[in-house]
Amino acid sequence: AQTVTQSQPEMSVQEAETVTLSCTYDTSESDYYLFWYKQPPSRQMILVIRQEAYKQQNATENRFSVNFQKAAKSFSLKISDSQLGDAAMYFCAYRRLGTSYDKVIFGPGTSLSVIP
Amino acid sequence: ETGVTQSPTHLIKTRGQQVTLRCSSQSGHNTVSWYQQALGQGPQFIFQYYREEENGRGNFPPRFSGLQFPNYSSELNVNALELDDSALYLCASSSGVGSGNTIYFGEGSWLTVV
Repeated sequence: AQTVTQSQPEMSVQEAETVTLSCTYDTSESDYYLFWYKQPPSRQMILVIRQEAYKQQNATENRFSVNFQKAAKSFSLKISDSQLGDAAMYFCAYRRLGTSYDKVIFGPGTSLSVIP
Repeated sequence: ETGVTQSPTHLIKTRGQQVTLRCSSQSGHNTVSWYQQALGQGPQFIFQYYREEENGRGNFPPRFSGLQFPNYSSELNVNALELDDSALYLCASSSGVGSGNTIYFGEGSWLTVV
């Protein structure tokens, strides 16, 4: 069974600084997606960034980038120039490809605080 | 805004009762999934509906059931409510299955069982 682990329950960062959130996962599959979702107090799950496992190049979306290490099964999220609006729960997630249904497996989450 | 709407936003039920939660998927999306998110945890997959049929299920008992309608909206029904069913229930919609299509989540329905 696939699992997703986030070892940092809480993190904090100074506004305008950079922070990295860690994630490891376990799977025997070769085709999958990895995601980082943001969940603010409104509780809506918002997709931040996604990475296809077959792509070696790390995904980037504006201030958000990932470090994808497939062999190590590691998938960290770097947030640059942190803003107050980045404060939220961040979930690392995994989704296998090529199945008859789409099941997203989430990690336990990291609560990010941004200090003004 | 993702275009996925859920109702009700909050509700309180008594142990043993039944509850129905509703979800309208984003326009053009024929796939709906439901997730349970207990306080302080990540969401857990309950089941998925594709073209009105349940096509995948997580580790949840049969008292968790669902429906998908011809307009692709969906319901989650939970019978014989237990205290541990208290959680945020998230609906997600997408187009198709097994591909890399983006999944869009609603804002959830908070269920408290007392």
